Amino acid sequence: SFGLTQPPSVSVSPGQTATVACSGDKLGNKYVSWYQQRPGQSPVLVIYQTNKRPAGIGERFSGSNSENTATLTISGTQPMDEADYYCQAWDYRTGVVFGGGTRLTVL
Amino acid sequence: QVPLQESGPRLVKPAETLSLTCSVSGDSLNNYYWTWIRQPPGKGLESIGYIYLSGSTYYNPSLESRVTISVDTSKNQFSLKLRSVTAADTAVYYCARLHGGLFYSDYWGQGTLVTVSS
Repeated sequence: SFGLTQPPSVSVSPGQTATVACSGDKLGNKYVSWYQQRPGQSPVLVIYQTNKRPAGIGERFSGSNSENTATLTISGTQPMDEADYYCQAWDYRTGVVFGGGTRLTVL
Repeated sequence: QVPLQESGPRLVKPAETLSLTCSVSGDSLNNYYWTWIRQPPGKGLESIGYIYLSGSTYYNPSLESRVTISVDTSKNQFSLKLRSVTAADTAVYYCARLHGGLFYSDYWGQGTLVTVSS
């Protein structure tokens, strides 16, 4: 079955660029979405259709996808970006699938 | 804005059926899929399944034998039933709007914690 793999944690210094990877079989052929989830809150969509930002999401957030890995990039990382980030895609075998999540720590 | 609100019992006994309803305001159910997602305490997100207005459904294969998602257009609601629950079904349950084709969820409910315990 289709699955998505994310690193459990990523650390970044304030002002630096954070990258969160998401890997899956032939993921480059699929649309990928990314969600930010702060503690105790519902997930918030930050990237859809691999590289599009919803209204209200800052330009600091960007997405890319190639072959088997999708990447969420947060430039100029701020303390408020500290959260869990989930990638998500759709596959005909398993439907909507989420990655296991990556905790971003801004040190 | 498309506010979504989950409602239903917060405590369910083992082997019984978990039932939740999602009320959608500010928009009709037309033109979108509607989905249920859950998150066990301290763990990641898991898609349960989704439904289209026509009634067509798709369920997570790992839950398919126990899940039913339905829609009530007259009330602008859609519902989840999960049968034969165990402690492993304890989770925060979210309802959300799902864009077909691109399969992303742009509006989510606040989530409701359902505990399975006797």
